[in-house]
Amino acid sequence: DAGVIQSPRHEVTEMGQEVTLRCKPISGHNSLFWYRQTMMRGLELLIYFNNNVPIDDSGMPEDRFSAKMPNASFSTLKIQPSEPRDSAVYFCASSDQRWQYFGPGTRLTVT
Amino acid sequence: RKEVEQDPGPFNVPEGATVAFNCTYSNSASQSFFWYRQDCRKEPKLLMSVYSSGNEDGRFTAQLNRASQYISLLIRDSKLSDSATYLCAVNIADKLIFGTGTRLQVFP
Repeated sequence: DAGVIQSPRHEVTEMGQEVTLRCKPISGHNSLFWYRQTMMRGLELLIYFNNNVPIDDSGMPEDRFSAKMPNASFSTLKIQPSEPRDSAVYFCASSDQRWQYFGPGTRLTVT
Repeated sequence: RKEVEQDPGPFNVPEGATVAFNCTYSNSASQSFFWYRQDCRKEPKLLMSVYSSGNEDGRFTAQLNRASQYISLLIRDSKLSDSATYLCAVNIADKLIFGTGTRLQVFP
């Protein structure tokens, strides 16, 4: 049974470029979460969706960040334009309302 | 005050030792509680839920104290493979809020 799938696993980009991170949740899970993890701030919830609808985006740091979930099996997190302080590991997680499972993460480096 | 707080450690313990971590939370409306384990450069993985009556899974015991608003994780007979960061998570309004994690290093 495939877990949460994220792509790319690593991304290196230059400041000002657009970055798109992708996530495929576990089939049958109806909630999807995007997190960012850094040494300084730990694991922070950015946004979550329930049944493809954004429920809480209060953790999105600023307008440069946007997330979509066009269907139950796909979500994107976009950063435009990217900045060096966006460098972090971005995790996607999905939940069946009981347990939450994380994907392997995307390690983003913005130079 | 952070919603969920943990001692970052590190806790350095010898193999076979018993070690305990605590995690405090500030929102009394928190509904459910979890411990996750995160290895270096990996994703967090669910270790166990924490039930009001306390629960055990092999060498691991989790407890909840609602009155004092903390959860705990006890690891008995530590193994080298237990070395990792342990994150507590608190469910508040369908969102999981994580602590920053406690690092455990088990040495031979």
